[in-house]
Amino acid sequence: DTGVSQDPRHKITKRGQNVTFRCDPISEHNRLYWYRQTLGQGPEFLTYFQNEAQLEKSRLLSDRFSAERPKGSFSTLEIQRTEQGDSAMYLCASSLEIASSSNQPQHFGDGTRLSIL
Amino acid sequence: LAKTTQPISMDSYEGQEVNITCSHNNIATNDYITWYQQFPSQGPRFIIQGYKTKVTNEVASLFIPADRKSSTLSLPRVSLSDTAVYYCLVAFDNAGNMLTFGGGTRLMVKP
Repeated sequence: DTGVSQDPRHKITKRGQNVTFRCDPISEHNRLYWYRQTLGQGPEFLTYFQNEAQLEKSRLLSDRFSAERPKGSFSTLEIQRTEQGDSAMYLCASSLEIASSSNQPQHFGDGTRLSIL
Repeated sequence: LAKTTQPISMDSYEGQEVNITCSHNNIATNDYITWYQQFPSQGPRFIIQGYKTKVTNEVASLFIPADRKSSTLSLPRVSLSDTAVYYCLVAFDNAGNMLTFGGGTRLMVKP
């Protein structure tokens, strides 16, 4: 168990550019989540996948944001036409959900810190 | 939609027991209560989870009263390395999928 891995750890880009982040969940975890965290605040839910299906999206996930999990393993989060307000830590988490219980703990990666110049 | 309510910050000294209480008045019947710890520039780390009464693991205990409208995380004999932000979470939808983080409690352990 190598934990949840996120790449890159840091990304600096100019306003208006597109960025893509990758998350590799704990192997065999069928659920994968994306959160955003700004300085001094708790993480905010963005979206989650059950295997390859994207099942829920937050209102925070504007049309400039898109997430995929094509083979039910790793996931990517893309932000198009980045804005200053997108500067944040983007966290990925995964969990193993069992049909009889939906309360398995989520395990987080260390995030990708995005800075928009 | 009610949020969890925790103290914004707490101070303690090495070797003391620390108790952090969280209020969650609108917890749903099937929801569990989960606590996470977060250090700067790292993702949250799972500490403990419970449904009712008391749960204990190697790092903490979790006390949940019968009405489940609050919970208390207990950290025995804290050390300097326990200085972190602690989040109490419950899921406010019946599917239990979305974690709603509040502002957390910033614990400062002093020597």
